[in-house]
Amino acid sequence: NAGVTQTPKFRVLKTGQSMTLLCAQDMNHEYMYWYRQDPGMGLRLIHYSVGEGTTAKGEVPDGYNVSRLKKQNFLLGLESAAPSQTSVYFCASSMGGSGANVLTFGAGSRLTVL
Amino acid sequence: AQKITQTQPGMFVQEKEAVTLDCTYDTSDQSYGLFWYKQPSSGEMIFLIYQGSYDEQNATEGRYSLNFQKARKSANLVISASQLGDSAMYFCAMRENVVYTGNQFYFGTGTSLTVIP
Repeated sequence: NAGVTQTPKFRVLKTGQSMTLLCAQDMNHEYMYWYRQDPGMGLRLIHYSVGEGTTAKGEVPDGYNVSRLKKQNFLLGLESAAPSQTSVYFCASSMGGSGANVLTFGAGSRLTVL
Repeated sequence: AQKITQTQPGMFVQEKEAVTLDCTYDTSDQSYGLFWYKQPSSGEMIFLIYQGSYDEQNATEGRYSLNFQKARKSANLVISASQLGDSAMYFCAMRENVVYTGNQFYFGTGTSLTVIP
């Protein structure tokens, strides 16, 4: 059982380039999230989805777009990369609802923008 | 206002001793969940323990326990009998069930724990 898989794991971009991070989960989770992690700032929510075909903005959405065309996939796009987007990106998923529905994380994607 | 506050950027503990990592939260919801995650130097996020807002007993998972004080809005993580492998970053998180937008998870800034041999 793979859980949450992120690709790529590492990427170096030049300022202005675009790229897409792919997140795939095989747990039939309704909710999917993209976070970025920066030193001293914890995890900040970029965008999230409450189900197939839905997306919503989180705390730091500027410069990113997302799509969830299939329930198992959640794509994060950088339209025109900036050095401020250098970060570690985590995808996570959960069942939704109340109770002990845990956030399950991918291994992270380290992005460097030069 | 911060939803999750972790006031200890770094902590040291002697091997085999117990350590408490502090976490306070801010919510007006009655139903919410509290979580702790561990992030070792390898970078993955590992779920440790969960406490529901209606749970009357403190959650325990092996050497981990969550000291839940609802009136104080605190959810401290207690690690007993520390091991060298416990050296990692620890994040406290809260889940709120927000109308129309569903589950929202908020994270603190983390506490870096170093276990000293």
